[in-house]
Amino acid sequence: EPEVTQTPSHQVTQMGQEVILRCVPISNHLYFYWYRQILGQKVEFLVSFYNNEISEKSEIFDDQFSVERPDGSNFTLKIRSTKLEDSAMYFCASSERGRNYGYTFGSGTRLTVV
Amino acid sequence: GENVEQHPSTLSVQEGDSAVIKCTYSDSASNYFPWYKQELGKGPQLIIDIRSNVGEKKDQRIAVTLNKTAKHFSLHITETQPEDSAVYFCAASCENSGYSTLTFGKGTMLLVSP
Repeated sequence: EPEVTQTPSHQVTQMGQEVILRCVPISNHLYFYWYRQILGQKVEFLVSFYNNEISEKSEIFDDQFSVERPDGSNFTLKIRSTKLEDSAMYFCASSERGRNYGYTFGSGTRLTVV
Repeated sequence: GENVEQHPSTLSVQEGDSAVIKCTYSDSASNYFPWYKQELGKGPQLIIDIRSNVGEKKDQRIAVTLNKTAKHFSLHITETQPEDSAVYFCAASCENSGYSTLTFGKGTMLLVSP
């Protein structure tokens, strides 16, 4: 079964450092998303991406965040200057509208900011 | 924006019993309601979904009901098994906007005891 692949599985970074979280969505999917889940809390929407541009973003997705699809297969989330409160599990997801509205989530990257 | 409330936060049942998890939503425009199962260390996995043109959907031991008037939907698991133990999330979205950003509930930790 097709999978969404995320790397790394765990990232530890110093406060103020930049991190890039990487995702390979399912190849025929057209919509891409980043969600995050702070430990013990609900899954929260960050950003959706379609046709090489951001289609929607939440208030969490401020100027410190950016997304990119650099080569047609990878989908990245960059946090420019990490804060302690950015520590969370970050999930990438993709979906194919028209036939399957369900998202497929990756296994996540656990980001720990120290 | 959409707000999804989910109850209970934890649910303990004996193997073979039924489990019911309930969610309410606020945006009457929402028309897609998926349920996700999240096992420890993994991303959410879609287990069943329902759209607003039907009131009930069943897939083996899992069923979902939707009451559009009351704006609530429920997940029913019959004949529970220990492997059903996980965190379950309900979600809602409006697919008429061209993309489907999910709003999640806070999750229900289901524990099935042998």
